[in-house]
Order: sequence, then C-alpha cells, then structure tokens
Amino acid sequence: NAGVTQTPKFRVLKTGQSMTLLCAQDMNHEYMYWYRQDPGMGLRLIHYSVGEGTTAKGEVPDGYNVSRLKKQNFLLGLESAAPSQTSVYFCASSYSILAGSQETQYFGPGTRLLVL
Amino acid sequence: AQTVTQSQPEMSVQEAETVTLSCTYDTSESDYYLFWYKQPPSRQMILVIRQEAYKQQNATENRFSVNFQKAAKSFSLKISDSQLGDAAMYFCAYRRSSYDKVIFGPGTSLSVIP
Repeated sequence: NAGVTQTPKFRVLKTGQSMTLLCAQDMNHEYMYWYRQDPGMGLRLIHYSVGEGTTAKGEVPDGYNVSRLKKQNFLLGLESAAPSQTSVYFCASSYSILAGSQETQYFGPGTRLLVL
Repeated sequence: AQTVTQSQPEMSVQEAETVTLSCTYDTSESDYYLFWYKQPPSRQMILVIRQEAYKQQNATENRFSVNFQKAAKSFSLKISDSQLGDAAMYFCAYRRSSYDKVIFGPGTSLSVIP
C-alpha cells in the first residue's frame, strides 16, 4: 500500500514550457486534490476532483488544468509555465464525505517545480 | 468566507518540555472538521490529529492533544514530552462538513532544542 505518490519529485522548466504532474493513490479514495505551497502562505487549493471524470476549481486555478480519467490518478497540467508557478505542489486524496467521518486527507511527498 | 489563523510564525521548545501551538478560525458553520498537519523537512504532510466540531471531547493522539474551544473558535495543539523529531512546520486546517475544500493556516515553524 503506497498511499499517495507523485511524479516527478523535482523539475525545472523554462517559461512557456508545458508539463504534467502525476498523482496516484491506491486507497480507493473518491476525492483528490492539488495544492501549491508557497512560503508564508500555507497550502492553497488549485483544483480538486470528487470522482472519476469530474474536476472543480479551487482557490488558485488559473494557469492550471487537471484531469481525472481514472479513479486512482489525478493529473495537473501547466500548459505554459510562468515563473509565478514556481512552487511546491502537493497532491492529496480522501474518502467521499458520504463515508461519514472519513474526512482526513492523505498527502503525497510533493513536487518541487522551478520555472526559469 | 472561512479563514484559519496561526499567530505564531515560529516557536521553540526544549526537548522533553511541553509546547502549545495556537490556531483560530472563522466560520459561520456549526458542523465542521479541524486538523493539525505536520510537515517535516522531508516536506510530506502528515496528519497529526483531527477533531469533529460536534464532539465536545478534545482529541488526543499519544503525546499530541488539542484544546478545542468551539465558542471561541480556537483549536490549539499541545505537544507533550517534545522530541527532536517533532521539529517541523505545523499547519492548522479547517474543513466544512458539507463541502470538500480544506483551508490551511499559514503554519507555525517549531524548533526543538536538545
């Protein structure tokens, strides 16, 4: 049981390049999330998904797209990277809220992205 | 809108002593969840403890306990018998029960002095 994994761990991009971050979970969780973490700002929600085939915007969605084609995977895409997207990106997953008190989010190890 | 505030950017504690990290939040909801997450230098977010707002009893997990004051909208974390491995960034977080968005505070950096 690997929990939540993220690929890659670290990436350097040039302005304007595109890339996809992959998040995978093996806990059969319905909900998945993408956050970015910047110094002094805690974690901010970019996009989230409440189930396979569905996605929704979080607090800071601009410049990002996501897809949830399979329940276990949640992809975060940057179509044209900007220096402002330099950050640490965390993926998380949780059970559906319909499962009662299973509200806990489980986080991946993070991806450090540097955009030059 | 819900907000989470952690007024202590940095804290330090002597090994084996007790430290309390503060968290306040703002909400108009009556039912919600509160969490404390730990982020060590490895950067992985680790759930330390969670509290359901409808429960009056304070949650405890080994050396970690909370003081949940619903009326005051306060949710502090107490770490007893502090260990070197407790050194990390600690985030307080709030989640509304009927909506899945989690709101994180800005974090408190805890240092443990040997």
